[in-house]
Amino acid sequence: KAGVTQTPRYLIKTRGQQVTLSCSPISGHRSVSWYQQTPGQGLQFLFEYFSETQRNKGNFPGRFSGRQFSNSRSEMNVSTLELGDSALYLCASSLSRDSPLHFGNGTRLTVT
Amino acid sequence: SQQGEEDPQALSIQEGENATMNCSYKTSINNLQWYRQNSGRGLVHLILIRSNEREKHSGRLRVTLDTSKKSSSLLITASRAADTASYFCALLSNDYKLSFGAGTTVTVRA
Repeated sequence: KAGVTQTPRYLIKTRGQQVTLSCSPISGHRSVSWYQQTPGQGLQFLFEYFSETQRNKGNFPGRFSGRQFSNSRSEMNVSTLELGDSALYLCASSLSRDSPLHFGNGTRLTVT
Repeated sequence: SQQGEEDPQALSIQEGENATMNCSYKTSINNLQWYRQNSGRGLVHLILIRSNEREKHSGRLRVTLDTSKKSSSLLITASRAADTASYFCALLSNDYKLSFGAGTTVTVRA
């Protein structure tokens, strides 16, 4: 079974631009979660989608948004990028709400 | 949502030794999960222990959970160079929110 796939692997953007990151979950997994990882803040939960609906949301500003498609693939978008948005963005899928997460290798976003 | 507090922040051991790391938390949980992360990669799930379980094993890994003390420990026995990584505990709350601790960085010296 293929694992969680995130694209692109690396991104360099300029302040003020916007970015879209993509995640394909493991086949059969309907829940997709997104996390931001930085050296200072650690792993911070962004949001979780299930059956195309946002089920949970972390404490991030409205510049961070996401969506999930009918095939469970998910995208997250960050608008008006700030230097502090530089991070590793991790996507994870799971079978159910209380089962383990399966992570992709992340998208490394650098904002200059 | 609560985060687990992990201890120690960093650990350096010789190959063949055991490594123990701890995770403490404040409110009740649905389950507690341990993950490993190699540098710059995604996290890999190691063990999930439910709130009504006390101990679980997987290969060289042993996880204990003490809900009365609100703490868990992860033991890696007979460590290898390949165990060098960051280890995170993650707490699933009863309203299904998963939050991660800051992690323990383990270095296994050859």
